[in-house]
Amino acid sequence: QITLKESGPTLVKPTQTLTLTCTFSGFSLSTSGVGVGWIRQPPGKALEWLALIFWDDDKRYSPSLKTRLTITKDTSKNQVVLTMTNMDPVDTATYYCVHSTVTTNFDYWGQGTLVTVSS
Amino acid sequence: QSVLTQPPSVSGAPGQRVTISCTGSSSNIGAGYDVHWYQQLPGTAPKLLIYGHSNRPSGVPDRFSGSKSGTSASLAITGLQGEDEADYYCQSYDRSLRGWVFGTGTKVTVL
Repeated sequence: QITLKESGPTLVKPTQTLTLTCTFSGFSLSTSGVGVGWIRQPPGKALEWLALIFWDDDKRYSPSLKTRLTITKDTSKNQVVLTMTNMDPVDTATYYCVHSTVTTNFDYWGQGTLVTVSS
Repeated sequence: QSVLTQPPSVSGAPGQRVTISCTGSSSNIGAGYDVHWYQQLPGTAPKLLIYGHSNRPSGVPDRFSGSKSGTSASLAITGLQGEDEADYYCQSYDRSLRGWVFGTGTKVTVL
C-alpha cells in the first residue's frame, strides 16, 4: 500500500530556511504519470497547494510562493525534499506530503508535520 | 488565498441531506478541469472523498456524491451521520495560475 511520511524541524526561526523530507513507499517516482507534492494548512485555516514534482522531473510551484520554494526528488531513496526560504511566522502550518497522478487529485496523504516559525 | 469559494458551514440532523457548493471561474472549474473533494476529520489529514466530479474511491460510502455544472460543483451527503462531522474541501486546477487550487473549506455539523 502507498504510504508517505514527512520529516523535518518542528520549530524554525524567522528568516531561516525550512527543509522538509517526504519518504514514501508503495510506488516509484520513476513510473510514468506519478507525482509527489506538498500542501500546507495553517492552524484553523484552509489547505494551500505548494509544489509538485513529477516522474519526469517536471516541477510546478504555487505562483505566490515560487521564489521561495524548491522541490527535488531522489528516486533511489524514495524521497522528495521541499525547501522554503525566508520563513515567517505566517508560514506556521501543518505541511503534508501527497501522492498525485495526471488525474490532478491528491489520492494519498502523509500524516502531516506541524512547523512553527518563531524566534 | 483560496480561488474556490465554499460556504463556511452547513448543518443537518441525522438522516437528512446536505449539500456543499464550490464556486470557481472560467479558468478552473469552468475550463473543464476535474473537481475533487476531500474530507478532513478533526485532527487528521485530509482524505480523498470524490474524484473527477462524481467518482468515489474504494471504501467511500455511496451516501457521498458529487456533481458539476458550469463554473460550480457540489458535494451532497445523504443520510447524514454523526461520523460525517468534518471539514470538506473542493479542489481543482487553475490554468491562469498554472497550479492546483483548493476551496475555502466547509465545516459540516450534525445536529
